[in-house]
Amino acid sequence: EVQLVESGGGLVKPGGSLRLSCAASGFIFSGYSMNWVRQAPGKGLEWVSSISRSSDYIYQADSVKGRFTISRDNAKNSMYLQMNSLRAEDTAVYYCTRSPGVGTYYFDYWGQGTLVTVSS
Amino acid sequence: EIVLTQSPGTLSLSPGERATLSCRASQSVTSSFLAWYQQKPGQTPRLLIYAASSRATGIPDRFSGSGSGTDFTLTISRLEPEDFAVYYCQQYGTSPFTFGPGTKVDI
Repeated sequence: EVQLVESGGGLVKPGGSLRLSCAASGFIFSGYSMNWVRQAPGKGLEWVSSISRSSDYIYQADSVKGRFTISRDNAKNSMYLQMNSLRAEDTAVYYCTRSPGVGTYYFDYWGQGTLVTVSS
Repeated sequence: EIVLTQSPGTLSLSPGERATLSCRASQSVTSSFLAWYQQKPGQTPRLLIYAASSRATGIPDRFSGSGSGTDFTLTISRLEPEDFAVYYCQQYGTSPFTFGPGTKVDI
């Protein structure tokens, strides 16, 4: 069974940093591209960042460029999102998602999400 | 950036009726790389359709997708009570991989 479990969310002050983790199991992690998608409270879905199987290709939304860094460790079946210079508008549930196709970034499995709250 | 517009914002229907949801892109979506997701309150999104018209694993055949270029449609042939939810389209042909604002299907 595919499982994606996010961790690392919490309350942080504006300008602060946080590192999210996603632990994957139930599939061959190194064979799939992975992504972060977020959802602000009561709002729609927003794609954040994607990383290819071997980390060769990384894509980011303009809203997080220069502040967030996606990475993965295939040996640990894990993906990460380093978030710096956090703003109030980054407050959201952050979902770890899997992309099933090579070079095709839609999302067939979603984690339960981790809440990031940016507030003073 | 490809901007996706979904219409209507809210669709009020009854069980057994047909639902037609629209997703329009500001420019052509490469290779019809368009997906649809369903999200119920308090739940994570679920993939319904990818590549504009391919149903994801386990999705009932009352859900169908169509379209190409800039105009895409999700059709639910006969609404079941569990289908009342918010539906999002997403294009993944060109980064940034954008979502539409969603269509709420309610009773």
